[in-house]
Amino acid sequence: DTEVTQTPKHLVMGMTNKKSLKCEQHMGHRAMYWYKQKAKKPPELMFVYSYEKLSINESVPSRFSPECPNSSLLNLHLHALQPEDSALYLCASSQDRGRAEAFFGQGTRLTVV
Amino acid sequence: GQSLEQPSEVTAVEGAIVQINCTYQTSGFYGLSWYQQHDGGAPTFLSYNALDGLEETGRFSSFLSRSDSYGYLLLQELQMKDSASYFCAVKGSNDYKLSFGAGTTVTVRA
Repeated sequence: DTEVTQTPKHLVMGMTNKKSLKCEQHMGHRAMYWYKQKAKKPPELMFVYSYEKLSINESVPSRFSPECPNSSLLNLHLHALQPEDSALYLCASSQDRGRAEAFFGQGTRLTVV
Repeated sequence: GQSLEQPSEVTAVEGAIVQINCTYQTSGFYGLSWYQQHDGGAPTFLSYNALDGLEETGRFSSFLSRSDSYGYLLLQELQMKDSASYFCAVKGSNDYKLSFGAGTTVTVRA
């Protein structure tokens, strides 16, 4: 089972809202990632969790707050976003942080109004 | 950090063979991987090379030369459904970041 599940698939939120994106994998992977992708651009790394600990934060604004409650779950909490934060948010996992193959969820298409 | 270069577009006819080259610079190296992404979809893992040589997965093969910091993805017997964006990505061993190239748009014509 090489599946990473993300919810919701689509999200529209106002600039004063608080929302959360969720990601789940049951492959026993110990590294999980959040990426942001704009149209016609490559995925851009935001955060990396390794063994449930945050190991990389790519200078992401504090209005994005990641959380890893356990080895299977990854959340991204959103607060006071800007319209320019509208994008496809992708969760991915890999066996561990040293592996270059990553398995992506279907993404959450976020629109900030 | 990492940087990768790959061609922006490739067009070919059904049944043809397409090679997408990727050159990279990285501090330390864990591996090079390839992903396919259709419009409106998410990236799908295709292939991975940690050591020099060719990895074959059905119609898709990937090659790596670590000494040249170079790899390629070979798409054989092209089908219309292969029209998509293809990304190479490299994992550095110093910072564990998986960084993506800008992507190559492959268009398959009948």
